Amino acid sequence: GDSVTQMEGPVTLSEEAFLTINCTYTATGYPSLFWYVQYPGEGLQLLLKATKADDKGSNKGFEATYRKETTSFHLEKGSVQVSDSAVYFCALSRNQAGGTSYGKLTFGQGTILTVHP
Amino acid sequence: DADVTQTPRNRITKTGKRIMLECSQTKGHDRMYWYRQDPGLGLRLIYYSFDVKDINKGEISDGYSVSRQAQAKFSLSLESAIPNQTALYFCATSDSRTSTFGSGTRLTVV
Repeated sequence: GDSVTQMEGPVTLSEEAFLTINCTYTATGYPSLFWYVQYPGEGLQLLLKATKADDKGSNKGFEATYRKETTSFHLEKGSVQVSDSAVYFCALSRNQAGGTSYGKLTFGQGTILTVHP
Repeated sequence: DADVTQTPRNRITKTGKRIMLECSQTKGHDRMYWYRQDPGLGLRLIYYSFDVKDINKGEISDGYSVSRQAQAKFSLSLESAIPNQTALYFCATSDSRTSTFGSGTRLTVV
């Protein structure tokens, strides 16, 4: 079956440091890939997405590129802020006829990011 | 008001009790989902519904049941709660462009 594996956390960085959170997946066909963010006490929010190979998703300074050859979707940010402290989830969905499925998701285990001033 | 509202936010219940978690949405989305979050395991899909007459089991449906009372309402029930159902439960909705998650219900079974 489908699966998503994220790098082990927690990750602790100083403000303005470079961030990478690794994500690899196993799935047949061409899934859509997502990064979600969960701030303390809140639900998940969609951070960015990519629906086909070589697509780059980006939002709020975060980027991730869909690499089919390495089955990866690593999250990067050039300069993190204290406000980026949260839990980050990589996820995939099987595309359905007519387009991307956004709700029936397979998640990675989540990576806790803490950014210190 | 939140787009996806879950009630209660927190609940402590005893082993063997029946409990219902409720979810309502104002997004107008047809598709609704229940997920469970456990530390180190991410979120796992319990049940999902693509419209009022459609209910489907997810990855971990054993011990749970659902009811889609209306397009905007999707409830999750634990018929006889057990301690390993202690977790954070999320309701979500989706359409062809995005998904929206509720803030979660923290359930503790003692």
